[in-house]
Amino acid sequence: KAGVTQTPRYLIKTRGQQVTLSCSPISGHRSVSWYQQTPGQGLQFLFEYFSETQRNKGNFPGRFSGRQFSNSRSEMNVSTLELGDSALYLCASSGSSGITDTQYFGPGTRLTVL
Amino acid sequence: QQQVKQSPQSLIVQKGGISIINCAYENTAFDYFPWYQQFPGKGPALLIAIRPDVSEKKEGRFTISFNKSAKQFSLHIMDSQPGDSATYFCAARGAAGTASKLTFGTGTRLQVTL
Repeated sequence: KAGVTQTPRYLIKTRGQQVTLSCSPISGHRSVSWYQQTPGQGLQFLFEYFSETQRNKGNFPGRFSGRQFSNSRSEMNVSTLELGDSALYLCASSGSSGITDTQYFGPGTRLTVL
Repeated sequence: QQQVKQSPQSLIVQKGGISIINCAYENTAFDYFPWYQQFPGKGPALLIAIRPDVSEKKEGRFTISFNKSAKQFSLHIMDSQPGDSATYFCAARGAAGTASKLTFGTGTRLQVTL
């Protein structure tokens, strides 16, 4: 099976712009979670989608949003970019959302905000 | 509020030695404790995981020790190899309703020297 894919891998934006990141989960996986990874804050949970519905949300401002399509692919959008949004954005998929279900991570999208 | 505390921040071990990474958690609702390994340019990958109903789990050279009363768990890497050089994250996952959300420790950068 192909792993989790994320596009683009690298992105450079300027403050005030918006950005959309894409994640394709492992075939058959219905749960997609997004995480932000920074040197200062580590890995932080953004949100989780399951069957096109947001089921969990982390403590991020409303500028961060997401959605999931019927084929389980997910997009994450960040509006009005700030310098502090520079980070590696990771997507993880799992078969369902059972507590022991392994989350498989993609390689991430490296976002740089100038 | 950091709910999972991880130490040390970095670790240098000689080839063949034992690497030990410790984590402590606060939220007693956590019910699943995975460890992830991350290489540069890659997303985290599940290494080994444990539920709190067991005190130890071993998979090859990797062992998790779990102390429920102390709310602590640790990763032991036996016979450490240069290929083990990576960043290791402990994580915790909660009960129903937040099952998909992983709360990560801050990471330990392990370097195994020859």
